[in-house]
Amino acid sequence: DTAVSQTPKYLVTQMGNDKSIKCEQNLGHDTMYWYKQDSKKFLKIMFSYNNKELIINETVPNRFSPKSPDKAHLNLHINSLELGDSAVYFCASSQELAETQYFGPGTRLLVL
Amino acid sequence: AQSVTQPDIHITVSEGASLELRCNYSYGATPYLFWYVQSPGQGLQLLLKYFSGDTLVQGIKGFEAEFKRSQSSFNLRKPSVHWSDAAEYFCAVGPTGGGNKLTFGTGTQLKVEL
Repeated sequence: DTAVSQTPKYLVTQMGNDKSIKCEQNLGHDTMYWYKQDSKKFLKIMFSYNNKELIINETVPNRFSPKSPDKAHLNLHINSLELGDSAVYFCASSQELAETQYFGPGTRLLVL
Repeated sequence: AQSVTQPDIHITVSEGASLELRCNYSYGATPYLFWYVQSPGQGLQLLLKYFSGDTLVQGIKGFEAEFKRSQSSFNLRKPSVHWSDAAEYFCAVGPTGGGNKLTFGTGTQLKVEL
């Protein structure tokens, strides 16, 4: 059973398009996160949701909009994709704040 | 501001040799410390974590790490490396800021020579 799953695994798209990445966790966790891993493998948090409420919003362009329909899902919608958005996006979840985070397999986004 | 430094970008060891990956952190309070491993094309898997208590923590796959407050370090060790350990290793500290943000180091890529 996959604990934290993401779809799609790979996403290739053109500049200017709008795309969404979906994340689901079946761990019963209250908190979910989105991280971005750049080409140098550096990982940085983008957003965090606790019980469907946004609690972390790093300095991310407003073209990125997270949506949490319920505690088990946290989707990431990206408008007007740019070349610099090419990266691996990881979803994660934890039982509560300040607990261990469990990561999904990542979504590899390539913007052409 | 909190930060994590992994001084070694690449490390190559022979299979069966011992391994130590370095991690230094800067944090204003007692940190929670983590080591994650990322195999090529895969997500991040938690190896071990330190929250409190015994400063030597055991993890999966035969890894251990020791928290040394005086040195602000949390080095990862394994007595005998296997070829399957070749991967990228990330040290992280948290929670940082509000909301349990993890701050990651830049990673150490481990290559294992057969």
